[in-house]
Amino acid sequence: RKEVEQDPGPFNVPEGATVAFNCTYSNSASQSFFWYRQDCRKEPKLLMSVYSSGNEDGRFTAQLNRASQYISLLIRDSKLSDSATYLCVVSTYNTDKLIFGTGTRLQVFP
Amino acid sequence: NAGVTQTPKFQVLKTGQSMTLQCAQDMNHNSMYWYRQDPGMGLRLIYYSASEGTTDKGEVPNGYNVSRLNKREFSLRLESAAPSQTSVYFCASRTAGGDTQYFGPGTRLTVL
Repeated sequence: RKEVEQDPGPFNVPEGATVAFNCTYSNSASQSFFWYRQDCRKEPKLLMSVYSSGNEDGRFTAQLNRASQYISLLIRDSKLSDSATYLCVVSTYNTDKLIFGTGTRLQVFP
Repeated sequence: NAGVTQTPKFQVLKTGQSMTLQCAQDMNHNSMYWYRQDPGMGLRLIYYSASEGTTDKGEVPNGYNVSRLNKREFSLRLESAAPSQTSVYFCASRTAGGDTQYFGPGTRLTVL
């Protein structure tokens, strides 16, 4: 079983739609959680960290459920520019390493 | 402030050839990483360096060597390239205790 699992998609949604991505992780010792965004043929970039209480950044909301070892990302009012692959990332306490999911591809169409 | 830079951007090798991928960061970060990214596999850690003078194996170290030349530079060497090493290679860096890894633009390597 992979340490971090994501639905690969693609998710094809119209502009203005709300879309949600889910991610599960297998290591209960995981302590830090992130969503990264990767555009086609580009490097990954941090989208947002995920905090225990949940957090929001504009149209993006991230939530964490430690009991179920589950992370989610909600995008409201989708824009064409949101088209990308979204990577779920976890790390364990006191480690210098990040574990990446394989990513979920989002395509927003007009 | 260039962030993380990588050279070359593209490379084609023949099986058995050797090469070194270069990475440098100007953010005074302690930790540096090398990943490879393959379709359907996601990013996999090859080697990392928590500080100058130290290196550790990641998930897929076989066939690779690394050198942390100084705080800024972390190179990845393929001694005898194989077609299975065809991939996109990303270098990244992170400050001690920081959340964010900053990635370079990647090197697209093809081994024939």
